[in-house]
Amino acid sequence: AQTVTQSQPEMSVQEAETVTLSCTYDTSESDYYLFWYKQPPSRQMILVIRQEAYKQQNATENRFSVNFQKAAKSFSLKISDSQLGDAAMYFCAYDGNKLVFGAGTILRVKS
Amino acid sequence: EAGVAQSPRYKIIEKRQSVAFWCNPISGHATLYWYQQILGQGPKLLIQFQNNGVVDDSQLPKDRFSAERLKGVDSTLKIQPAKLEDSAVYLCASSGQGGDTQYFGPGTRLTVL
Repeated sequence: AQTVTQSQPEMSVQEAETVTLSCTYDTSESDYYLFWYKQPPSRQMILVIRQEAYKQQNATENRFSVNFQKAAKSFSLKISDSQLGDAAMYFCAYDGNKLVFGAGTILRVKS
Repeated sequence: EAGVAQSPRYKIIEKRQSVAFWCNPISGHATLYWYQQILGQGPKLLIQFQNNGVVDDSQLPKDRFSAERLKGVDSTLKIQPAKLEDSAVYLCASSGQGGDTQYFGPGTRLTVL
């Protein structure tokens, strides 16, 4: 079974600084998708970024970018110019034929 | 474009009572998912529908949980009877097809006393 591991239960970043959230996964598949979702206290799960495993180029969405290392099964999220509104729980997720989530990383942003 | 709608947002019940949650997916989305998210954990898939057929219900506790998707649009998730360990947030999501990006609703927080 596929598993997703987020080794950082909690991270803090100063406003305007950069932070990187880690994620590793385990799979024997070669074709899959990876996601980062953000869940603020309101509970709404919001898509941050998506990566197709067959693409070598790392996905970017404005201030959010990923470092996808397929051989290492690593998928980290970099948030640049952090803002107070980025504070939330961040989930890494793997989708082969079913979406499997990690345990999440709480991100705190200090002003 | 309207997002995934869920109701109610909050529900408090006594153990052994029954409860039902409702979900309306994004218009045109064929695939609908129900997840259970226990506090401090990531969501866990309970059931996946493709139109009005069940694709995956392997992690649904079928002795107490049931779900249906009438006419391939709205869906209802029911728990009967509820146990203390069912306290969680129940998230509904939809996607265009299985494997496409899933979009989530605001969730229903269930507290079982």
